[in-house]
Amino acid sequence: AQSVTQLDSQVPVFEEAPVELRCNYSSSVSVYLFWYVQYPNQGLQLLLKYLSGSTLVKGINGFEAEFNKSQTSFHLRKPSVHISDTAEYFCAVSAYSSASKIIFGSGTRLSIRP
Amino acid sequence: NAGVMQNPRHLVRRRGQEARLRCSPMKGHSHVYWYRQLPEEGLKFMVYLQKENIIDESGMPKERFSAEFPKEGPSILRIQQVVRGDSAAYFCASSPGDNQPQHFGDGTRLSIL
Repeated sequence: AQSVTQLDSQVPVFEEAPVELRCNYSSSVSVYLFWYVQYPNQGLQLLLKYLSGSTLVKGINGFEAEFNKSQTSFHLRKPSVHISDTAEYFCAVSAYSSASKIIFGSGTRLSIRP
Repeated sequence: NAGVMQNPRHLVRRRGQEARLRCSPMKGHSHVYWYRQLPEEGLKFMVYLQKENIIDESGMPKERFSAEFPKEGPSILRIQQVVRGDSAAYFCASSPGDNQPQHFGDGTRLSIL
């Protein structure tokens, strides 16, 4: 079975500051990794995904994430945040063998202060 | 192309009533997934369907919940005899095939009085 831990439930940052949202996963098999963003009263949008290859993955809206197999982490980063980045961010994992079943973390609420 | 369409966006039911949530996948998508999001939590997988078939229902509660995806028409998540604990946001996602990226709808927020 797979599980995802998002260590911070809320992260407040000032506008134009860098941000890192932490994610650790647990799995006995190879996995795909994802970050999704959820704006208020909306569904989830895929920010980026790691399937294989380069461990640094670039996504939409200037976000990137780095897969670290030894630390079982997939932290999300952005060098300079904007007010419009205010949202809930979910890290997720799915096993190679059952990639259609996505396991989500509990989410990190990113709030941007002007 | 229209995205994944869910309706209604908000649904209010009294305890003991039935709730029916609908999901129309994106055009060309034959795979549908249902997730439930309780307040302050992430999404929890419920069920994965293809046309007329349930592929994985390991996340579905054993009683009162059912899902279908008929040959024609939207996928339906049905909750019978609703209880307060069923209050949540229910999200549908669709994909064009197995192991393909899932696209999410905006959800149905179910409130039980």
